[in-house]
Amino acid sequence: GEDVEQSLFLSVREGDSSVINCTYTDSSSTYLYWYKQEPGAGLQLLTYIFSNMDMKQDQRLTVLLNKKDKHLSLRIADTQTGDSAIYFCAESPNSNDYKLSFGAGTTVTVRA
Amino acid sequence: DAMVIQNPRYQVTQFGKPVTLSCSQTLNHNVMYWYQQKSSQAPKLLFHYYDKDFNNEADTPDNFQSRRPNTSFCFLDIRSPGLGDAAMYLCATRSLQRGQETQYFGPGTRLLVL
Repeated sequence: GEDVEQSLFLSVREGDSSVINCTYTDSSSTYLYWYKQEPGAGLQLLTYIFSNMDMKQDQRLTVLLNKKDKHLSLRIADTQTGDSAIYFCAESPNSNDYKLSFGAGTTVTVRA
Repeated sequence: DAMVIQNPRYQVTQFGKPVTLSCSQTLNHNVMYWYQQKSSQAPKLLFHYYDKDFNNEADTPDNFQSRRPNTSFCFLDIRSPGLGDAAMYLCATRSLQRGQETQYFGPGTRLLVL
């Protein structure tokens, strides 16, 4: 977690957009990921972005990568109650150890 | 269809009584991982296998062991569980195919130590 930082909490109204931010320190990061974890469940891969990309869109999800600032964000459009969960940012360095470094997770609460 | 399967989903053990958690995968991925996740924390990598090559994290206690008898299965053995070992244990796999280097997680096993 020290190499990847996220804000801990986000509250958003149903129907609004959510933006979850993440910063990382390893400039050699090759892949950056967003995982979703619902209570009592494992981690679900939401989306990922390769480091040579600036943006990736997948239905309601938009990932923006600012490699210069080492900043990653996840935007969820039209946030629904089912989006309430913990969202983990993770990065994978360009090495052969195949590890992921996770942030501490952002708890997103969607209110009616 | 479940791709990374963990059994059991909930495990209760007694202080000091050995316990084994299992993970299986249908993805034929080379790499398998075990993570420990405590409440409100990020998953913490315990060890991983690249095929049969075992890689232990430096701060993983000796109390934790792992076995990977074949590509599909991986086990986590906790030799003498303490109260501090109560956590969610997550198994994950990873493809090495270029362009698909993502980790897929199982649903986790929640371990309770009495």
